Amino acid sequence: DTGVSQDPRHKITKRGQNVTFRCDPISEHNRLYWYRQTLGQGPEFLTYFQNEAQLEKSRLLSDRFSAERPKGSFSTLEIQRTEQGDSAMYLCASSYIGADTQYFGPGTRLTVL
Amino acid sequence: EDQVTQSPEALRLQEGESSSLNCSYTVSGLRGLFWYRQDPGKGPEFLFTLYSAGEEKEKERLKATLTKKESFLHITAPKPEDSATYLCAVQAEGYQKVTFGIGTKLQVIP
Repeated sequence: DTGVSQDPRHKITKRGQNVTFRCDPISEHNRLYWYRQTLGQGPEFLTYFQNEAQLEKSRLLSDRFSAERPKGSFSTLEIQRTEQGDSAMYLCASSYIGADTQYFGPGTRLTVL
Repeated sequence: EDQVTQSPEALRLQEGESSSLNCSYTVSGLRGLFWYRQDPGKGPEFLFTLYSAGEEKEKERLKATLTKKESFLHITAPKPEDSATYLCAVQAEGYQKVTFGIGTKLQVIP
């Protein structure tokens, strides 16, 4: 069991550019979650997938954000037309259906200049 | 809306000096309360899940307890390697979303 992995670990971009992050959950975990964490704050929920279906979305997930999990395995989170306020750590987590504990990956640190 | 308040925000202990971290919560039907440890620049590392008032769980120098309104993380005889931010989070019945507090930053001095 290799744990949740995320790629890239760090991303620096200019305002207005699009960025995409990838998350590979623990194998056989059906549920996958995205969170955002800014400095000095706890993680904030963005969205959650059960297999391929996106079942919960936070109001934080503006129209510029889109997440996919096309085959029920890895997931991508895309941010279009990035803004400086998007600078944060983007965390992915996964869990089994029927289990409540979410296991987190190392995160992707996004810096928007 | 679910809320989690952690105190203190920061705590500095001498090695061996036991203490407790507090997590107060409001949630419409608690499904589970979670404790995580987070090191700088890394993702949260799972510690405990508690489900009902009166429940206790232990792992090495850490013990988590739960009441209907609060949870405590007791740290017994801490070591410098216990230095980290400890996050408390709640999950409401019927939802997968987990709501986190801002954490308690613990520093253990040798």
